[in-house]
Amino acid sequence: QQQVKQSPQSLIVQKGGISIINCAYENTAFDYFPWYQQFPGKGPALLIAIRPDVSEKKEGRFTISFNKSAKQFSLHIMDSQPGDSATYFCAASHYNQGGKLIFGQGTELSVKP
Amino acid sequence: ETGVTQSPTHLIKTRGQQVTLRCSSQSGHNTVSWYQQALGQGPQFIFQYYREEENGRGNFPPRFSGLQFPNYSSELNVNALELDDSALYLCASGDQGQRGTQYFGPGTRLLVL
Repeated sequence: QQQVKQSPQSLIVQKGGISIINCAYENTAFDYFPWYQQFPGKGPALLIAIRPDVSEKKEGRFTISFNKSAKQFSLHIMDSQPGDSATYFCAASHYNQGGKLIFGQGTELSVKP
Repeated sequence: ETGVTQSPTHLIKTRGQQVTLRCSSQSGHNTVSWYQQALGQGPQFIFQYYREEENGRGNFPPRFSGLQFPNYSSELNVNALELDDSALYLCASGDQGQRGTQYFGPGTRLLVL
């Protein structure tokens, strides 16, 4: 029940295209869903996060779509750029477990010029 | 405002040895969490500290221990190192009032030979 499943494992997108990464969770107690971006040799950087009281959140080119009934959420990167090439992780946590983030397995995104 | 810093950046140890990793939290944060990230995997939660006490623990054995100091800096200690302990160790800080939101440091790469 603690798992977060992420897909695809890798993704290749042309510059200017839309990158879409999906995550599914089982634990309905989760109430916070962040996305992190990680470059090689660096720590994960918080990109955008959503709580289950909204179905969508947009920050610049990054959008989270959240489907509570399906227990799924996704990251959309609009107008993808080569600089977006990185590994992306979805994660989930719930209030009663404080800062414990459960991470997905990661998606390696490559944006081709 | 300074971000999360970690030291050292890289470390090589031999099996059976002990290691101490250090972390300085982001200014204004009062929680610190430690994660282990194996190559090609998502980070795995080790434990969190708040008010100098352990505030949640993942599935890691007791030979993984930690400390949080009054200035909110932290240490991760690992005793009796095993080959499988080779990983990137990440520290993340946050505000207990903003549960879930965490900011990661660059990590310490540990290699156990």
